[in-house]
Amino acid sequence: QVQLQESGPGLVKPSQTLSLTCTVSGGSISSGNYYWSWIRQHPGKGLEWIGYIYYSGSTHYNPSLKSRLTISVDTSKNQFSLKLSSVTAADTAVYYCAREAGDYGLDVWGQGTTVTVSS
Amino acid sequence: SYELTQPPSVSVSPGQTARITCSGDALPKQHAYWYQQKPGQAPVLVIYKDSERPSGIPERFSGSSSGTTVTLTISGVQAEDEADYYCQSADSSGTWVFGGGTKLTVL
Repeated sequence: QVQLQESGPGLVKPSQTLSLTCTVSGGSISSGNYYWSWIRQHPGKGLEWIGYIYYSGSTHYNPSLKSRLTISVDTSKNQFSLKLSSVTAADTAVYYCAREAGDYGLDVWGQGTTVTVSS
Repeated sequence: SYELTQPPSVSVSPGQTARITCSGDALPKQHAYWYQQKPGQAPVLVIYKDSERPSGIPERFSGSSSGTTVTLTISGVQAEDEADYYCQSADSSGTWVFGGGTKLTVL
């Protein structure tokens, strides 16, 4: 059974880069059937799709974040990562990684990790 | 930018039927997905491709589509169904979008 686990700093200073990693266990990130996604949820608010990456490295980003966003994959470690630059308080959120199974939706989610942007 | 519109809240009594709608211009051409999120937990997929139910999701959850609106129906609502529900779909460029979420209250 595939499981996802987010990791990274819980506190980031304004203007710095937020970096998170999602470790995939119980299955290979190189399976060609899935896209590996990041989603965030601002405090008390709804879900916001950030972007996804395929194991080959191809990506698709939310246009509203594209200029600050990099999603990468490390198949040797079975991990994918998110980097969001020039963060502000508006980037404070719970960040989730998830597996997208094509037409089958976001079928596996990590537990989420809280990131606070503050000096 | 593309938007999916959901009612902020829906309330039903136990045993009744809850219907949560999601409207978007691209829904006639794009599949919709529904997620349940309970406080402090990650979302859980309850409907995919408009009306398909993942394994392990109770049969009381169903989905339907009509024009620019998709609907999540929960028949025989139970107290444990109280949660936030989000629809998800894609715009014409393949960018995923979530609806604003609907809080289901079981009275």
